[in-house]
Amino acid sequence: DAGITQSPRHKVTETGTPVTLRCHQTENHRYMYWYRQDPGHGLRLIHYSYGVKDTDKGEVSDGYSVSRSKTEDFLLTLESATSSQTSVYFCASQGSAPFAETQYFGPGTRLLVL
Amino acid sequence: AQTVTQSQPEMSVQEAETVTLSCTYDTSESNYYLFWYKQPPSRQMILVIRQEAYKQQNATENRFSVNFQKAAKSFSLKISDSQLGDTAMYFCAFMKHGIQGAQKLVFGQGTRLTINP
Repeated sequence: DAGITQSPRHKVTETGTPVTLRCHQTENHRYMYWYRQDPGHGLRLIHYSYGVKDTDKGEVSDGYSVSRSKTEDFLLTLESATSSQTSVYFCASQGSAPFAETQYFGPGTRLLVL
Repeated sequence: AQTVTQSQPEMSVQEAETVTLSCTYDTSESNYYLFWYKQPPSRQMILVIRQEAYKQQNATENRFSVNFQKAAKSFSLKISDSQLGDTAMYFCAFMKHGIQGAQKLVFGQGTRLTINP
């Protein structure tokens, strides 16, 4: 599996504060993704990146922004956290040949917004 | 838009039994990938098995195999000789085939599988 780490692993914050989650991969993968996991919904895509400084929105992007200044790092920012953003957040990176279609996931970040 | 449906929210079997998890999907694409991911209590998402839609042969990984029925848009996972360590949430996921470029995964809601001793 790809070496993907996420920080922090757990965070408690208050409504209205900005929060940044970090994803770091050591596989030199071009593509990276942020998903959120909520009960009854599986995982849903927030944003993704197809290269340094190249990002695009997923299906649940409202209230989130991302940045990618280096191949290995992909940051997710909650601009002003709300209780509806309480969730588990997963980062993934997409593999290289021969399994270039496979996404490998980080360990997840549990975020609680009070 | 693609959708993935897992109709079994929970399943429970005895150790060493065989269990089959169901997954159906809806797409107008002809070429795509299908995946099963496992999420144990640690929350880590672990790839179990992948299937390329243009391959008619069903994928197999040790005790895990799939029954891929393209016309029926069905992609079930069979776990043989189940073990206590197989206890986890299992997610079925779909990805469009892309020549190059990022492709999002579309996930089902998950099936919680419990293996009893």
